[in-house]
Order: sequence, then structure tokens, then C-alpha cells
Amino acid sequence: DQQVKQNSPSLSVQEGRISILNCDYTNSMFDYFLWYKKYPAEGPTFLISISSIKDKNEDGRFTVFLNKSAKHLSLHIVPSQPGDSAVYFCAARQDQTGANNLFFGTGTRLTVIP
Amino acid sequence: EAGVAQSPRYKIIEKRQSVAFWCNPISGHATLYWYQQILGQGPKLLIQFQNNGVVDDSQLPKDRFSAERLKGVDSTLKIQPAKLEDSAVYLCASSPLVGGTDTQYFGPGTRLTVL
Repeated sequence: DQQVKQNSPSLSVQEGRISILNCDYTNSMFDYFLWYKKYPAEGPTFLISISSIKDKNEDGRFTVFLNKSAKHLSLHIVPSQPGDSAVYFCAARQDQTGANNLFFGTGTRLTVIP
Repeated sequence: EAGVAQSPRYKIIEKRQSVAFWCNPISGHATLYWYQQILGQGPKLLIQFQNNGVVDDSQLPKDRFSAERLKGVDSTLKIQPAKLEDSAVYLCASSPLVGGTDTQYFGPGTRLTVL
């Protein structure tokens, strides 16, 4: 049962434009969300996160938006750069459990075209 | 600060053979995780340790998979015997705190191919 879904396996964007990566979840108990970025032959690296008490979190070129009622979050990258080309994973967890277990989506491969 | 180390990076075995993976987490990190990432899917948690105790192993196929974390530092994950469907990347991650919400830091993974 895939509790976190990324329905777009790939996305191509021109350099300098905005990249929007989407993620949906089904478990209403999730209350903390993260985006990880993964380059080939490397492990995922943490990018940005958001707590369910917020609807937006920004860090430089990266902004995550959360819509709890729709159980949807998105990652905006602006402006996109060729170095952003990677696979992006959305992840979620239930803070209350304290177990810190992450549930990952299937990933979206972003290609930024120079 | 050194990252999470894993070895080997690649392993090819035949089905029914045994294999072991090793992970050295970031120094001082209390919590260690093993994930399985099958091609085209996101990582799935297999087991979580806090220090040398198991917090969650509900997704670990215990008939063939085992893991230990001796002295609360390094960890090994073993598969015995391996099946074709075990072909995946096995990721180790660590985080500093005991419980709570903190960032997990991932190693590069071990890519296992079972023939």
C-alpha cells in the first residue's frame, strides 16, 4: 500500500524556469514531510521539510507547499539549474510515534535542460 | 564530518546464496536505519535501531533477513538465502537523536543483484 505517491516519474524543465514536483499522501496521520534529492550512485540527501502546522517553507531557491485538506504537497525550484537534475523523493512520517520512520514516494526524475 | 559508510558498493550473487552488508553511521548518531530500494520505487524501511536496540522491524522479512547493531555503532544486514526479488539497493541511514524528528543521513547504498 503506497501511502506516499509521486505520480510523475519524470519532468523536464528549461534552465531558469520553475520546476514543480508534486506529491500526494493518503495517511492523514502524517504530520511531517520532507524532500530528498538523489544523484546516481549516491544516497538520498535531505533538501527541505515542512511541518503540518505550516503551509509553506522556503529555503533559497526551494519552496515546499503543503495543502493538508487535499493531502498534497509540492516542491518548487526557481530558478532551475542544470545541477538540480536528479531524482527527487517526497517522504512523510508521523511525528507522534517518535519512531522517525519515513515513508517514501517513488520519486520524480527532474532534468534541467541548459 | 564523515558521512555514512557502506560496503560493499556492489554485490552479485546467485539465488539461495547468502550475503552481508555493512554500515558505519555518522559518529555519535544514536539511530540507524536500513532501507530497501527496489528499482523504480522509493526506499522502504526494513529495520530501525536506537543505539543497539531494535525500534521497528515490522517490514523485515525475518525468515531470511537479519540485522544487528553491535555496541550501538556499526551494523550488518544479512540475507540468507537470497531470492531473485531481493535485488535492490540497500541503504543505510543514521540520525543523531533518540526518537523525535531529525534528519536522516543516507549512505551511498549497496546494489545487490541476485541471479
